[in-house]
Amino acid sequence: DAGVIQSPRHEVTEMGQEVTLRCKPISGHDYLFWYRQTMMRGLELLIYFNNNVPIDDSGMPEDRFSAKMPNASFSTLKIQPSEPRDSAVYFCASRKRTGSAEAFFGQGTRLTVV
Amino acid sequence: SQELEQSPQSLIVQEGKNLTINCTSSKTLYGLYWYKQKYGEGLIFLMMLQKGGEEKSHEKITAKLDEKKQQSSLHITASQPSHAGIYLCGAAYGGSQGNLIFGKGTKLSVKP
Repeated sequence: DAGVIQSPRHEVTEMGQEVTLRCKPISGHDYLFWYRQTMMRGLELLIYFNNNVPIDDSGMPEDRFSAKMPNASFSTLKIQPSEPRDSAVYFCASRKRTGSAEAFFGQGTRLTVV
Repeated sequence: SQELEQSPQSLIVQEGKNLTINCTSSKTLYGLYWYKQKYGEGLIFLMMLQKGGEEKSHEKITAKLDEKKQQSSLHITASQPSHAGIYLCGAAYGGSQGNLIFGKGTKLSVKP
């Protein structure tokens, strides 16, 4: 398997623009996580899905953020409108159903909002 | 997440020295994960601990989980420049729940 695939790897956008980050989890994994990493706040859990259903979105910072998982092999994280403080590295991770299974991370998307 | 506290925040050691990184949870853990991250890259899984008192080793890295399942330590023996990076502990709380949250990480530098 190719692992968790995220795109794009880098994104530079102007404030106010819509940004869409994409993730393809590992086939057969039931959980999908979206994280945001900054120097100040570390690695924050934004939202996670189980079998394509959002389970906990309490980490989503504002209504400007939304995430979808239309099928088992694809998820998006959208920011609309984007702001400079959204600049961070966004990671997607997936894991199997059992609670003890490790999570596999993608390489991340480095987002810069200017 | 503030539920997981790591210490120290950063660490600089001379090559060949031993070091320990600590991770403390505010509540009982279901599982404790250790990951390593190099700058600009994703997280690489090191090991997972689930049972109170459990200890696991991988090459020169050993991790332990205390009996109460609220604290873990990561110990590196005879550190090398390849050990440099950010070490993060992650925790799962509550049975089969899928949530996985992380501490802020410990940045390790190893001086040749």
